[in-house]
Amino acid sequence: AQSVTQLGSHVSVSEGALVLLRCNYSSSVPPYLFWYVQYPNQGLQLLLKYTSAATLVKGINGFEAEFKKSETSFHLTKPSAHMSDAAEYFCAVSDPGSGYALNFGKGTSLLVTP
Amino acid sequence: DAGITQSPRYKITETGRQVTLMCHQTWSHSYMFWYRQDLGHGLRLIYYSAAADITDKGEVPDGYVVSRSKTENFPLTLESATRSQTSVYFCASRDTSGNNTGELFFGEGSRLTVL
Repeated sequence: AQSVTQLGSHVSVSEGALVLLRCNYSSSVPPYLFWYVQYPNQGLQLLLKYTSAATLVKGINGFEAEFKKSETSFHLTKPSAHMSDAAEYFCAVSDPGSGYALNFGKGTSLLVTP
Repeated sequence: DAGITQSPRYKITETGRQVTLMCHQTWSHSYMFWYRQDLGHGLRLIYYSAAADITDKGEVPDGYVVSRSKTENFPLTLESATRSQTSVYFCASRDTSGNNTGELFFGEGSRLTVL
């Protein structure tokens, strides 16, 4: 089964500092991987996705992620955190066995301090 | 407006009552999904549908019923609500044109409280 593990349920960074949110995947087939962001009382919004093209994927709001097969990782980064980046972030992997539904990690809450 | 809409956004009910959460999408996406979101669990798949009249169970289907008589609608019914079904429910859809790598598009969620 396809699954992802997010390391760290809470991450705190200072405004302007590097953001690094970790995600490791487990998949029996070449994975399709996604990062979503959720702001309070809202639905999930796609940040970026990896679909076996370039291993470095650029997304919205200055975020990017690198697919590393040797490490089974898909970590999310942003060079300089902004206060508006404070949100819940979810890593997900596509599951061919359920209509390509997404299997989500448990989420990482990002806090950005002034 | 185009998109995916859920109703109601907030619902309080009592144990044993039947509750239906509605989901409507205007894109004519083939696939639709229902998830529940709980603290510490992330999002878990309840049911999904590949097309009208085709539905299948996800990870946590017990206590839920779905139907899909029209492509655009995918209601989720709790036949006899329990406190453990207190959660935020998200509906999502996916476009299948081209390939299966498309992302899911989410509604804004329905927050259900069962007393």
